[in-house]
Amino acid sequence: GAVVSQHPSRVICKSGTSVKIECRSLDFQATTMFWYRQFPKQSLMLMATSNEGSKATYEQGVEKDKFLINHASLTLSTLTVTSAHPEDSSFYICSADLAPNTEAFFGQGTRLTVV
Amino acid sequence: RKEVEQDPGPFNVPEGATVAFNCTYSNSASQSFFWYRQDCRKEPKLLMSVYSSGNEDGRFTAQLNRASQYISLLIRDSKLSDSATYLCVVNSGGSYIPTFGRGTSLIVHP
Repeated sequence: GAVVSQHPSRVICKSGTSVKIECRSLDFQATTMFWYRQFPKQSLMLMATSNEGSKATYEQGVEKDKFLINHASLTLSTLTVTSAHPEDSSFYICSADLAPNTEAFFGQGTRLTVV
Repeated sequence: RKEVEQDPGPFNVPEGATVAFNCTYSNSASQSFFWYRQDCRKEPKLLMSVYSSGNEDGRFTAQLNRASQYISLLIRDSKLSDSATYLCVVNSGGSYIPTFGRGTSLIVHP
């Protein structure tokens, strides 16, 4: 299967700082990537759809100015959590698929802790 | 009504048992369906796709019922290593964005 690499796997940051998470498709090109957030014992909630070369599409209730998404190439999308707060502490996961309507391949996830 | 619904469980079964999970979806135009497995603090991994005619992979059987808008996963001869959360995923609409159920927790005990 296709490989999606996410980095870092774990990060601890102070309140008010920004954190950047990278998601790379290693052996295929991904025009679309998805960013999810998962709180303990909860489902994966879609935050935004990242589109190469254009603006991301954010889900309702997700602040686009707080969660900055950049998809500058066909193999890299980044999510920056700006001015992080403790309530942003969560498990963030990206995914991509080889083609629309096929299985999704996930990055390893990033566990963010804001202190 | 949520787009994809699952019973969160947990399902607590002994080794060797047969267990079944259902997942209902609200969008009748949904195109493709998958079951993923997620271990604690890990990313989801594809368990199997779900085809219209039903499909089997070893101890796992997946079925789709379009008329009633649900998919199912049957696990036979449960192993301790089957303990995990099983996520139902449905791709819907023209944008084919994967939508996840909240997952069903399975605990297999000796």
